[in-house]
Parts: sequence; C-alpha cells; structure tokens
Amino acid sequence: EIVLTQSPGTLSLSPGERATLSCRASQSVSSSYLAWYQQKPGQAPRLLIYGASSRATGIPDRFSGSGSGTDFTLTISRLEPEDFAVYYCQQYGSPFTFGPGTKVDIK
Amino acid sequence: QVQLVQSGAEVKKPGASVKVSCKASGYTFTGYYMHWVRQAPGQGLEWMGWINPNSGGTNYAQKFQGRVTMTRDTSISTAYMELSRLRSDDTAVYYCARGPPTYQLPLDGFDPWGQGTLVTVSS
Repeated sequence: EIVLTQSPGTLSLSPGERATLSCRASQSVSSSYLAWYQQKPGQAPRLLIYGASSRATGIPDRFSGSGSGTDFTLTISRLEPEDFAVYYCQQYGSPFTFGPGTKVDIK
Repeated sequence: QVQLVQSGAEVKKPGASVKVSCKASGYTFTGYYMHWVRQAPGQGLEWMGWINPNSGGTNYAQKFQGRVTMTRDTSISTAYMELSRLRSDDTAVYYCARGPPTYQLPLDGFDPWGQGTLVTVSS
C-alpha cells in the first residue's frame, strides 16, 4: 500500500498570498494517479486536481498541481477567503489511499 | 446536474449493522463506479471500496473485508453500503463518491461526493 505524507500540517497565510502544499508518496505513483481535494468544515470533499495536474470542472485557475513519481505539489497562486480549508492528496492506484491533510488557515 | 443524496444519520449499538444508501441523479447510474469513503470525527479520509453498478462487481479495502457489503439497485439508481459487527471506532461520516466510467479501470478521482451520513456507534 502506498502511504502519502503531506506537509506542512498547517499553513498560516493571509488572503492574496501564495500557498504551496506538498504530498510525498512512499513509492512511485503510477501514471500520475494523484488527486487533490478541498474540504471545508461540515462539507464533503471536492475534487480540485486529478492526474497530478489537470483541474476538475469548474475549478479556478489559481489552483494548479504538479509533480510526478513520489513528489507532488498543489499551488494556490493567490489565496481567496473561500480557499481556507483542509486539502487532501489521494493516490488512486489500488488500494486507494489519502494523505493526512494540510490545513490552510488565516494568519 | 450530477447529484448524490445519502440517507440520514444513524445511531447503532456495538455489534449491530448499518446500511447507508446513496441515490444518484443527473447521469446514467450504471455508467460510473461508486466509491465509499469514511471520515472519523476530526480525522482524515479512509477509502472503503467500490462497486461497479453495471456488473455489481466490488472491490473492498482489506481492512473492511468480511464486514462490508456494497450493493446497488439499478431500478432506483441507488447504491448501498452495509457495515456489520459495528464497533465504537466505526463512528464516522460515511460518503459515497462517483468514480470514472465503468468502461475503464476505476483509476481516477472521485467527483462528486454525497453529503455524508453520520453513523454513531454507542451503547
């Protein structure tokens, strides 16, 4: 089973700043089978990025994903007030696994 | 629009079973995999398994093998997840989430998700 580690655990930033979130896998993720999700309190997760770098339908272009192999990054170019949330990475090989999450909160 | 609507909250005693439903609308139910994911209070996301609504085929996470059963009723576009021999650490929000089309391997992100069903296990 591929174990995902996310860093930092918490990221404290101000609106307008750039956020860089890291996801590292215990072994290479096949064919960039890597997704990112956003979850706000009391809500279900929402798919942001799939295939490591493709934005899901309706996701603003301030969200971008990059990486391959074992190291992946989610970048939010300029934080909007609605972007403060918890972000999870997921690899969808088999079995599917999620990282522990990174909380982006307001500084 | 594509929507997944889940059944309401449940309170169960240890040792009992729970069955959560997930009604799909806005797309061809049999055309897409359905996953189940759970989230314990204040914790992260844990994948439980998937069902192919077209064939009824399933794939369960090893942790839940023998305790989870995923089924579907294509006549009402609804998927079900039943978890048996409940323990206190099964207390969680359970989500259904749509996977990719069933004509391909189930190797893609989950989109969209249901609103979640809180299952509380307490004596």
